[in-house]
Amino acid sequence: NAGVTQTPKFQVLKTGQSMTLQCAQDMNHNSMYWYRQDPGMGLRLIYYSASEGTTDKGEVPNGYNVSRLNKREFSLRLESAAPSQTSVYFCAIHMGQGGSTEAFFGQGTRLTVV
Amino acid sequence: AQTVTQSQPEMSVQEAETVTLSCTYDTSENNYYLFWYKQPPSRQMILVIRQEAYKQQNATENRFSVNFQKAAKSFSLKISDSQLGDTAMYFCAFMKPYGGSQGNLIFGKGTKLSVKP
Repeated sequence: NAGVTQTPKFQVLKTGQSMTLQCAQDMNHNSMYWYRQDPGMGLRLIYYSASEGTTDKGEVPNGYNVSRLNKREFSLRLESAAPSQTSVYFCAIHMGQGGSTEAFFGQGTRLTVV
Repeated sequence: AQTVTQSQPEMSVQEAETVTLSCTYDTSENNYYLFWYKQPPSRQMILVIRQEAYKQQNATENRFSVNFQKAAKSFSLKISDSQLGDTAMYFCAFMKPYGGSQGNLIFGKGTKLSVKP
């Protein structure tokens, strides 16, 4: 989606390996979010960052860490991947006011932990 | 805490017909936003339609319209003249009108819609 770029699009990890999902936005917005999507569960919030230098936990933060490197970039790190972290991950920004309020999502990362 | 419920895991409709997807939510807030997102097999999340709670008029976007019943906390999506390209997962979502810590989206579990030729 225009404005929010995620890498990689696909990844396979072995249990115990680590990796970082990258997210960058060019919309100059303060708030950034990481969600995970599991079958039958919708999207759930992992972590968010209200502004540069701040991060906070969402609904399902266990097993993850995040870094808000600057206003553009918000990364999600799995230190020791587990099969339960097999999921599709989305980075998003929420912006606008009133009738233009909208969330913009990255393309998603499909992660498989074996 | 807010919750969003989509009671129809799967639905199907014939091409050119009309289908309605259901969504209910629970909140104590008076002002908020509601959304329907479409997720085709490409995985991309696409905004279909948005509704501001303080607006009584139901939102419409071409073939897509909503029936927003604030008192009943109901937010259904009607798709008219269904097209094969409408085949996708549809998510209902709730958001408070704040940024940062309170501005995250609360999603329902989704409804898988299949449009049959």
